[in-house]
Amino acid sequence: EAQVTQNPRYLITVTGKKLTVTCSQNMNHEYMSWYRQDPGLGLRQIYYSMNVEVTDKGDVPEGYKVSRKEKRNFPLILESPSPNQTSLYFCASSSWGGGGETQYFGPGTRLLVL
Amino acid sequence: AQKITQTQPGMFVQEKEAVTLDCTYDTSDPSYGLFWYKQPSSGEMIFLIYQGSYDQQNATEGRYSLNFQKARKSANLVISASQLGDSAMYFCAMRGPDLIQGAQKLVFGQGTRLTINP
Repeated sequence: EAQVTQNPRYLITVTGKKLTVTCSQNMNHEYMSWYRQDPGLGLRQIYYSMNVEVTDKGDVPEGYKVSRKEKRNFPLILESPSPNQTSLYFCASSSWGGGGETQYFGPGTRLLVL
Repeated sequence: AQKITQTQPGMFVQEKEAVTLDCTYDTSDPSYGLFWYKQPSSGEMIFLIYQGSYDQQNATEGRYSLNFQKARKSANLVISASQLGDSAMYFCAMRGPDLIQGAQKLVFGQGTRLTINP
């Protein structure tokens, strides 16, 4: 089954304690991305990766890091989380299909930073 | 810059009726893609339908169709014969042109909350 997995699904942490949210896809997609969703703001892109070792900033990269050492994995790192990073996070992956394209999203990670 | 506008914060529809969710977009690129996603209360993002800017025909996927009016920069989602399970948040999104780094970034609208009444 084609899927994007994220872990953990729910996380409560405290300010300043480093955390990593993992993302993995089994579709051999080149493109992966992280979004955050906040009420009234829709989804906004944090970082994206066009392929292994190729990453770049999205619209709201401050306070986040990513890495792409393997094609299937794209972890999101919060070195020193702050309360304004409390949000719902989505990982997504995509590739070109025959007659269009499909972007797959992971199930989401709900993060609360106290 | 690309922008997506969804003007309906919420809609209430009777079960089995058809419903149209509005989406307008703004871009200066000749090549782009338009998406609709469904987000139920459980939170996951479910891909519904895709329309490429050069596609001649409106996209359809089962009960979902996309009413693509390129000149008006409109990409409305039509759900035929609505069901209780269609109650969810719906997002319209756009990606940029091909062959540009980051082209597959999605820009999202603020969403429309659809409630289907029995």
